[in-house]
Amino acid sequence: GDSVTQMEGPVTLSEEACLTINCTYTATGYPSLFWYVQYPGEGLQLLLKATKADDKGSNKGFEATYRKETTSFHLEKGSVQVSDSAVYFCALKIDGSARQLTFGSGTQLTVLP
Amino acid sequence: DAGVIQSPRHEVTEMGQEVTLRCKPISGHNSLFWYRQTMMRGLELLIYFNNNVPIDDSGMPEDRFSAKMPNASFSTLKIQPSEPRDSAVYFCASRGGLGETQYFGPGTRLLVL
Repeated sequence: GDSVTQMEGPVTLSEEACLTINCTYTATGYPSLFWYVQYPGEGLQLLLKATKADDKGSNKGFEATYRKETTSFHLEKGSVQVSDSAVYFCALKIDGSARQLTFGSGTQLTVLP
Repeated sequence: DAGVIQSPRHEVTEMGQEVTLRCKPISGHNSLFWYRQTMMRGLELLIYFNNNVPIDDSGMPEDRFSAKMPNASFSTLKIQPSEPRDSAVYFCASRGGLGETQYFGPGTRLLVL
């Protein structure tokens, strides 16, 4: 079946540090890949997505590249801010399938001033 | 647009009581999802509707849980009777058309004593 494996947290960084959160997937079809972010006390919000191999999704300084050869979609940011503290979820959906989003377990990020 | 609206935002009840969670999806969206989030199990899809019809309820934990969508602008998730292990944050999300992006509500934090 389809699954998403995320880097275990929590992750604690100092402001302006570089961030990488690893995400790998297994899928039986051709997935679209997503990163969702959950700020404290809120619901999940779409951060970025990529729908085909080699696509790069980007938003708010975050980037992730769809790597079919390594089945990965790692989230990166060059300089994190305190306001980036949140839980980040990697997810996939098989195109053309009735199946819904498959989420990873989430990675808690805390950025210290 | 007001986004997905959930009520109540917080609910504290005693074991054995009936709990009803409510959701108003984004106007024009035709798919609605109920999720449960706990520290132990992460984010779990409970049920989803397409055009007000339940499509997949395989994630509903047991017969104590039921969900309805009487019209395109309203859905309920009911737990009867509630148990302490039902304590969690329950999210509703909606999606429009063929797009993959789900928009989440702020969640209902349920505590069953």
